Amino acid sequence: GQNIDQPTEMTATEGAIVQINCTYQTSGFNGLFWYQQHAGEAPTFLSYNVLDGLEEKGRFSSFLSRSKGYSYLLLKELQMKDSASYLCAAMDSNYQLIWGAGTKLIIKP
Amino acid sequence: TAGITQAPTSQILAAGRSMTLRCTQDMRHNAMYWYRQDLGLGLRLIHYSNTAGTTGKGEVPDGYSVSRANTDDFPLTLASAVPSQTSVYFCASSEVPSGNYEQFFGPGTRLTVL
Repeated sequence: GQNIDQPTEMTATEGAIVQINCTYQTSGFNGLFWYQQHAGEAPTFLSYNVLDGLEEKGRFSSFLSRSKGYSYLLLKELQMKDSASYLCAAMDSNYQLIWGAGTKLIIKP
Repeated sequence: TAGITQAPTSQILAAGRSMTLRCTQDMRHNAMYWYRQDLGLGLRLIHYSNTAGTTGKGEVPDGYSVSRANTDDFPLTLASAVPSQTSVYFCASSEVPSGNYEQFFGPGTRLTVL
C-alpha cells in the first residue's frame, strides 16, 4: 500500500531550528513535496525534491533520500508566523500526490 | 491574477440534498483536482482531470461526480449528501505536462451536512 508518516505535532522555540521528518512508501516515485498550511487556509507550496540531497531556500531546507524513503524539512531562525501545519506528500507513478496527515508546529516565544 | 477561486466559502446542507461546489482557475493549467481534508487525515483525492474533457477517480470518489467541459472550470457535485461528507473541500490545479508538478490550491469550501 501507499503510506506517508510524519509526526502529529512538534513544539519549538522562536529563533531555534526544527526538523520535521517524513517517511514514505508509494507505488513508484516522482518526487517529494512539502507544503505549509496555516489554520483555516489553503496549503501553499514550500519545496519539491526528486533527487537525493539537500535543497536550501532561505530559512527553509528540504532533504531527500530515495533509497531510505525519507525526507525532512528544516526550518531555521523560527518565527512566530511559522506556526502552521507542514504537509509531506509523495508523488506516485501516476503523478498523483499521496499526502501525510500533517505535522502541527507550535512556536513558543 | 486570481489563481483558483472556489464557491461557496461555506455551506450547511441538509442530508439528501444535492449541491455543486464550484472551482475556477485562470492559470490555464491542464490538470485539476478535488481533495477533502478531515481532521487527523491527510488530503484525500476525490476526483481529478488531467485535461479538459477527461476525468478520473481518486482515492475516495463514492458519492461525488465531476465534469471538465473546459480548461478553467472543474465543478464537484454531491448528488445526495450524507453527514460523512462533512469536510473541507479544496480544489487544486497544476501544469503537469510541462514537468512542473506543483499544485496550487483554492481557498477551500467548508461543508457541513446535517
